[in-house]
Amino acid sequence: GEDVEQSLFLSVREGDSSVINCTYTDSSSTYLYWYKQEPGAGLQLLTYIFSNMDMKQDQRLTVLLNKKDKHLSLRIADTQTGDSAIYFCAETLMDSSYKLIFGSGTRLLVRP
Amino acid sequence: NAGVTQTPKFRVLKTGQSMTLLCAQDMNHEYMYWYRQDPGMGLRLIHYSVGEGTTAKGEVPDGYNVSRLKKQNFLLGLESAAPSQTSVYFCASSPGRAGELFFGEGSRLTVL
Repeated sequence: GEDVEQSLFLSVREGDSSVINCTYTDSSSTYLYWYKQEPGAGLQLLTYIFSNMDMKQDQRLTVLLNKKDKHLSLRIADTQTGDSAIYFCAETLMDSSYKLIFGSGTRLLVRP
Repeated sequence: NAGVTQTPKFRVLKTGQSMTLLCAQDMNHEYMYWYRQDPGMGLRLIHYSVGEGTTAKGEVPDGYNVSRLKKQNFLLGLESAAPSQTSVYFCASSPGRAGELFFGEGSRLTVL
């Protein structure tokens, strides 16, 4: 079945790196996404990776995909207080790619 | 530069009352979605639409109805509200399959 799991909470110190992890169960995933939700707002796309890629880097963000273990991670380098938010992992599936399946979200708290 | 606009942003209902949430997008997107967000459960898809005049059920459609009479609008209706429908509702739109979802700011609904 379709299931995306994330840990609920992560706390880091400003300037450190943050690593948010996600596991998914459906091997037919095509795209995998990271969305960010700031307080009182909707979700915004941060980055995505196609399922035939292992890594994608975009400025301070690095996405790693391990297809064998169905594990996705988001690394934020030099984490800032403005990075405090909820981060959602999501996948689209080969058979119904017009809908996203979201994880429950990881709340990142950046301590000064 | 409106993007996706949801109205109303807040609403309190009594059990058994009905209401409609309106979502409007000005990006000419084909796909539109209604999600609900509950603590610890991420986003769950209620209904979606792949074009004007079409609707389809998502993961949690019971108790909700939708209509997409115009391409830019996607309405979510609750015919007889229940306390279990207390949630934050997000509308999103997308230009196509596996594309980026653009979210509205959310509508917080409380059913007493």
